[in-house]
Amino acid sequence: QVQLKESGPGLVQPSQTLSLTCTVSGFSLTSYNVHWVRQPPGKGLEWMGRMRYNGDTSYNSALKSRLSISRDTSKNQVFLKMNSLQTDDTGTYYCTRETIAARMDAWGQGASVTVSS
Amino acid sequence: DTVLTQSPALAVSPGERVTISCRASESVSTLMHWYQQKPGQQPTLLIYLASNLESGVPARFSGSGSGTDFTLTIDPVEADDTATYYCQQSWNDPWTFGGGTKLELK
Repeated sequence: QVQLKESGPGLVQPSQTLSLTCTVSGFSLTSYNVHWVRQPPGKGLEWMGRMRYNGDTSYNSALKSRLSISRDTSKNQVFLKMNSLQTDDTGTYYCTRETIAARMDAWGQGASVTVSS
Repeated sequence: DTVLTQSPALAVSPGERVTISCRASESVSTLMHWYQQKPGQQPTLLIYLASNLESGVPARFSGSGSGTDFTLTIDPVEADDTATYYCQQSWNDPWTFGGGTKLELK
């Protein structure tokens, strides 16, 4: 059974760094790409970036200067780090699996992040 | 970036047929997918590659289109279909989503 689960602090202070972990099960990180997608409260979805099966990364240019995605295949985990957080970074952060036909067929439950002092 | 435009909201009665449109600012071939998001839940995949039904999704859902114009159809609509529907393209980076169409049942 394919599962993804995000974890991390629910509250981050402005200008600080957000660190989230996506722990996956039911598939291998060396066979599938994993993406990060976020959603501000009451708004739409924004693609942030991907960790490819071979370890390469791609980022949304709008976030590239602040964003880093990495992984630990031995722990089945993908990490997101984003610095210089502001209030408009508040929202729910999802990790997703990409499968054949470049579709995101599995999503985590999401991690709610609030940026506030 | 490829901009995807959706109508913001629709209201239909159960049993009716509804079409939700998505227009891309440039051609994305058939690399268009549709997701359903119910309140408080993560999105789930309905349709991939414009017209392919994801496993486990009811056949009431269908998709069509190519290039810049795409449609998600629900026929017949059921009460459980109350949700926001997003189109998403994976033709080029950054992957982008439409703004979402909120479907309400009368």
